[in-house]
Amino acid sequence: EAGVTQSPTHLIKTRGQQATLRCSPISGHTSVYWYQQALGLGLQFLLWYDEGEERNRGNFPPRFSGRQFPNYSSELNVNALELEDSALYLCASSSGLSGANVLTFGAGSRLTVL
Amino acid sequence: AQKVTQAQTEISVVEKEDVTLDCVYETRDTTYYLFWYKQPPSGELVFLIRRNSFDEQNEISGRYSWNFQKSTSSFNFTITASQVVDSAVYFCALSEAREGNNRLAFGKGNQVVVIP
Repeated sequence: EAGVTQSPTHLIKTRGQQATLRCSPISGHTSVYWYQQALGLGLQFLLWYDEGEERNRGNFPPRFSGRQFPNYSSELNVNALELEDSALYLCASSSGLSGANVLTFGAGSRLTVL
Repeated sequence: AQKVTQAQTEISVVEKEDVTLDCVYETRDTTYYLFWYKQPPSGELVFLIRRNSFDEQNEISGRYSWNFQKSTSSFNFTITASQVVDSAVYFCALSEAREGNNRLAFGKGNQVVVIP
């Protein structure tokens, strides 16, 4: 069974540009989560999508947005990139809405903003 | 609000030594779940264990063991007889049980370095 896949693995952008990151969940999982792992800041919750809807959002500005497609894959968009957006962006998936669910993570997309 | 604290940032041990990682959490909920994840250099977080707030039974899985003490809000993790392959960042995380609030709060992680 394929795990959570993310693309691209690495992405280099300059300040002010836009970045798009993609995530395919494990087959059968309807929930997709995005986390940002910036140096020294740990893992910060960004967004949670389930069945195509945004269910919860972390404390990030509106230039961080995303969506979930009918096939449950997801896209994270970061507009007007800033240097501090440089981080590893991790996607995870799970089934159901319970807080007991185990999240399965992908290997991440490393975004570098110059 | 939920909060997870992992005080030790980096821990170095010599191979075959034991290492214990401390995790202290805060939550107002009476029902919650605690997790440990491992992040090797490849970057992908790997699930290790989940505990619910009503199950304080300690657990041993191979060289890994977990000590959950609700009275002190701690969920500590011990690696016995460490090996070089254990070198990774270990994260403790908390999730509240309310449906629709499915977001993990992570601690800042413990970087474990096992020296051969």
